Amino acid sequence: AQSVTQLGSHVSVSEGALVLLRCNYSSSVPPYLFWYVQYPNQGLQLLLKYTSAATLVKGINGFEAEFKKSETSFHLTKPSAHMSDAAEYFCAVSDGSGNTGKLIFGQGTTLQVKP
Amino acid sequence: EPEVTQTPSHQVTQMGQEVILRCVPISNHLYFYWYRQILGQKVEFLVSFYNNEISEKSEIFDDQFSVERPDGSNFTLKIRSTKLEDSAMYFCASSEYRGSNYGYTFGSGTRLTVV
Repeated sequence: AQSVTQLGSHVSVSEGALVLLRCNYSSSVPPYLFWYVQYPNQGLQLLLKYTSAATLVKGINGFEAEFKKSETSFHLTKPSAHMSDAAEYFCAVSDGSGNTGKLIFGQGTTLQVKP
Repeated sequence: EPEVTQTPSHQVTQMGQEVILRCVPISNHLYFYWYRQILGQKVEFLVSFYNNEISEKSEIFDDQFSVERPDGSNFTLKIRSTKLEDSAMYFCASSEYRGSNYGYTFGSGTRLTVV
């Protein structure tokens, strides 16, 4: 069975500081991994995805994530936080065969950006 | 940019009442999904739908739940007799291709409150 764990339900950084949101996964098959962002009162927006190509994945809004199989991790980073990055972030994993439509989500991390 | 539209954004219903949550997927998408997020918990898969039938459903999706694509544009989730524990944010999503490896487009959600 696949699962996702996001370490830290709440992360607070200063504007301009590095953002690091942690995600570890468990999967018995090669996984596809995703990061979604949810701004207040909005839907889930895809930030980036890993689908077994390059291990360093670049997404929108300056975010990137690195797939590390040895650590079963897919941490999300951004070099310099903006106030507009304040949102909830979800890591998700799917069956890498793509045969199911199901995403398994982590519990989410709320990112607070302080001026 | 194409959007998945969900209505209403917030619905309050009495326990035991039937509710229908509505979604308009992106027009050329063929695969449709419902997820829910109980407050403070993970986003959970409910059901996937393709070619006018359910492709996969979770254990949450019991006989109280049903989905339908009544016309060429709408995709609905019906809860026959709501319980207090059905209170959650319900997300609709659609994708052009089979499988979650391509990523979905999510709607902004319907917050269902059962009183």
